[in-house]
Amino acid sequence: GAVVSQHPSRVICKSGTSVKIECRSLDFQATTMFWYRQFPKQSLMLMATSNEGSKATYEQGVEKDKFLINHASLTLSTLTVTSAHPEDSSFYICSASQGSGGEQYFGPGTRLTVT
Amino acid sequence: EDQVTQSPEALRLQEGESSSLNCSYTVSGLRGLFWYRQDPGKGPEFLFTLYSAGEEKEKERLKATLTKKESFLHITAPKPEDSATYLCAVPKLGESEKLVFGKGTKLTVNP
Repeated sequence: GAVVSQHPSRVICKSGTSVKIECRSLDFQATTMFWYRQFPKQSLMLMATSNEGSKATYEQGVEKDKFLINHASLTLSTLTVTSAHPEDSSFYICSASQGSGGEQYFGPGTRLTVT
Repeated sequence: EDQVTQSPEALRLQEGESSSLNCSYTVSGLRGLFWYRQDPGKGPEFLFTLYSAGEEKEKERLKATLTKKESFLHITAPKPEDSATYLCAVPKLGESEKLVFGKGTKLTVNP
């Protein structure tokens, strides 16, 4: 149980284009989903928190107009990196939770490379 | 501000050589501590949640323990497949749905 999928696993895009990453909870309904990014040899940095049907809340320093998050249902959240630049290249990971203070279950991650 | 510190940063063990990883935290009030395993290029895999000082949980060769200030992840007779980065996390003060992660301990088990 508690399986979270992400798609795509890897994506290469050109500078200036937009990329959408999907995160799905496969066997449970997630009240909250989270988006993280991770740079090499560093820990996870929370980017934003989203609840189904409401606007995402972004961590300080994260551009909400650049990283668009949509949480359309209790099992699906999407992250769109708009007008991507090489510095956006990173490992993006989503997680899902069933309640406040509970465990987060992580997806397998998406490696984004912007050329 | 919540602080989570993990030590050591890296640990190399021989197969069968037991050891412990440490996670210390400076938060007011115990609201849970989470352990995850992360393999290279993958998302973290949930291992344990501990809520109370004195609590212990086990899974195969792993045992997690919790005191009022720190948690230990004991690895008994590790195998090469236990090689991974182990992360601990605590809920953020005032925003308990969010987790604050330590930098992790990279464990390498040599055959």
